[in-house]
Amino acid sequence: DGGITQSPKYLFRKEGQNVTLSCEQNLNHDAMYWYRQDPGQGLRLIYYSQIVNDFQKGDIAEGYSVSREKKESFPLTVTSAQKNPTAFYLCASSIGSGASYGYTFGSGTRLTVV
Amino acid sequence: KQEVTQIPAALSVPEGENLVLNCSFTDSAIYNLQWFRQDPGKGLTSLLLIQSSQREQTSGRLNASLDKSSGRSTLYIAASQPGDSATYLCAVRGGGGSNYKLTFGKGTLLTVNP
Repeated sequence: DGGITQSPKYLFRKEGQNVTLSCEQNLNHDAMYWYRQDPGQGLRLIYYSQIVNDFQKGDIAEGYSVSREKKESFPLTVTSAQKNPTAFYLCASSIGSGASYGYTFGSGTRLTVV
Repeated sequence: KQEVTQIPAALSVPEGENLVLNCSFTDSAIYNLQWFRQDPGKGLTSLLLIQSSQREQTSGRLNASLDKSSGRSTLYIAASQPGDSATYLCAVRGGGGSNYKLTFGKGTLLTVNP
């Protein structure tokens, strides 16, 4: 079945560490996105990529970095510069960057600072 | 800036009841609106996608309407079941000067009691 796979499901980060969240899709979608979800808040956009080797900052990109070397993969690195990284991270994709397309989401990664 | 509001924040109903969830958005220049379901600790499951040119979409017991000019959408759930218990999220694509990202409401937590 086609879909989006996020791993790991749970991730623990020590102070000062960088960690990388994986997102892989086999839907042949061009566009991919990373959102952050905090309790009591709506989802907020971190980064997005419309095509391979290109990505743009979203609303809350500080302390995060991404790469898009392959169409299927869009990993997110949470750096030590992100002061409050504990959250639920969701990866999504859409067929293209055209505005008529809907989103498909993965199952999420819960990141906790220990 | 696009803002999305969902009312009510929480709703508890007995099994079998028909119910309506509300979503409003501030900028009517949207491309589409998508309703999602989120179970605790899980990712988002797309329920319905309504393009800006459409008035409603139906899937099984779910019906979503869109009144773009007034900035409102409703999700109607017929004959509710305990398995419908989840958080329902409304998201709009476009408005606020962007066509690439979804802007989410904070969700309605639905509990259907047996």
